[in-house]
Amino acid sequence: DIVMTQSPDSLAVSLGERATINCKASQSVLSSSNNKNYLAWYQQRPGQPPKLLIYWASTRDSGVPGRFSGSGSGTDFSLTISSLEAEDVAIYYCQQYYNNPQTFGQGTKLEIK
Amino acid sequence: QLQLQESGPGLVKPSETLSLTCSVSGGSVSNNNDFWGWIRQSPGKGLEWIGSISNSGQTYYNPSLKSRLTLSLDTSKNQFSLKLTFVTAADTAVYYCVRVVPMNYDVLTGIDDFWGQGTLVTVSS
Repeated sequence: DIVMTQSPDSLAVSLGERATINCKASQSVLSSSNNKNYLAWYQQRPGQPPKLLIYWASTRDSGVPGRFSGSGSGTDFSLTISSLEAEDVAIYYCQQYYNNPQTFGQGTKLEIK
Repeated sequence: QLQLQESGPGLVKPSETLSLTCSVSGGSVSNNNDFWGWIRQSPGKGLEWIGSISNSGQTYYNPSLKSRLTLSLDTSKNQFSLKLTFVTAADTAVYYCVRVVPMNYDVLTGIDDFWGQGTLVTVSS
């Protein structure tokens, strides 16, 4: 299985400031056939199911605010929130869908400082 | 708007079978473009992909659960289901049903763009 490791485990950021979460895959999730990274990001607010934010490492899902962006390639990826809002308090997960079984990172808890 | 809702017992005895159903509204499980899947979340193991099924009945099971797992589709009821046999305390988790948008047909993987609210299943005598 591809192991996904996120850092940090938790993060406290002031409102309006930038938050960055990292995700590292144990092997590359970049396809040589289409040059796409099979990497998604999800947000899980308290008491809610996860919500898809980003796929193909950098494509925002419909309705996701522009302050969320994804970057990276191969084995190293990042999710950035450019200006933190109170509603962004959540746990964030990366997921690879390059190979079976699909696997998730352990999660990064984002809080307000 | 697509909606998914899990249903089933919240308590299952060890060694028995866990059975869950996901009812889909606002869309059809017969849609050729979609797969339907299950994911579980427990404090000890985080988010774990269980498996998925296509509208034609093609399935993928997580190898760690394959020997105990069966997924099925009921197009007449617009539902899909999960059966997990010989459960233990390690199977205690919140179980989510999801719609899977296929992204890699070679290995039947994709992104999970719609989720049910989840149902807690506890395995205990």
